[in-house]
Amino acid sequence: SQKIEQNSEALNIQEGKTATLTCNYTNYSPAYLQWYRQDPGRGPVFLLLIRENEKEKRKERLKVTFDTTLKQSLFHITASQPADSATYLCALPNTGTASKLTFGTGTRLQVTL
Amino acid sequence: NAGVTQTPKFRVLKTGQSMTLLCAQDMNHEYMYWYRQDPGMGLRLIHYSVGEGTTAKGEVPDGYNVSRLKKQNFLLGLESAAPSQTSVYFCASTQTSRTQYFGPGTRLTVT
Repeated sequence: SQKIEQNSEALNIQEGKTATLTCNYTNYSPAYLQWYRQDPGRGPVFLLLIRENEKEKRKERLKVTFDTTLKQSLFHITASQPADSATYLCALPNTGTASKLTFGTGTRLQVTL
Repeated sequence: NAGVTQTPKFRVLKTGQSMTLLCAQDMNHEYMYWYRQDPGMGLRLIHYSVGEGTTAKGEVPDGYNVSRLKKQNFLLGLESAAPSQTSVYFCASTQTSRTQYFGPGTRLTVT
């Protein structure tokens, strides 16, 4: 069955450093992969989508890579700030139609001063 | 635009009681979804709809029913609440962009 793995342990980094979060998947051949941000008590918010034929995608301080051979996506936040502290979820399209997504459990990022 | 709204924000039910959660979106999206989010489990799809008048089961549909009588609204019903249904419920919608837009969530406690 399809499975998505994200590091369940929180990632603690210092302000200004680059945070790197990992999303691994098995039994998938997804056409794209998405990353969402979730703040406590709020719904997830879409950040980036990367397609299978794209190796890398950037948006401001965010960078996502997608390695379909390794079945892995890396999510980078450069020059991290305390405001980046949140849980980050990766999501892959489910089989079939209806634009369904399967979400990973998320990795909590804590950026300290 | 309000985006996706959910009511109520919080609710406490006793076992066996029923309730309906309302989701509304003003983006004219065709697809709507109900998820539940539990610690360590991530978001799990309960039911979804691909358009007005349609519904389909997701990953964890047991104990829930849904209706989509109007395109902008998607209702999630619990006929006889159980403690196992204590969770945070999120509604989401999308058009063809595949990006899902989420509501703020409903925190439900069943005692």
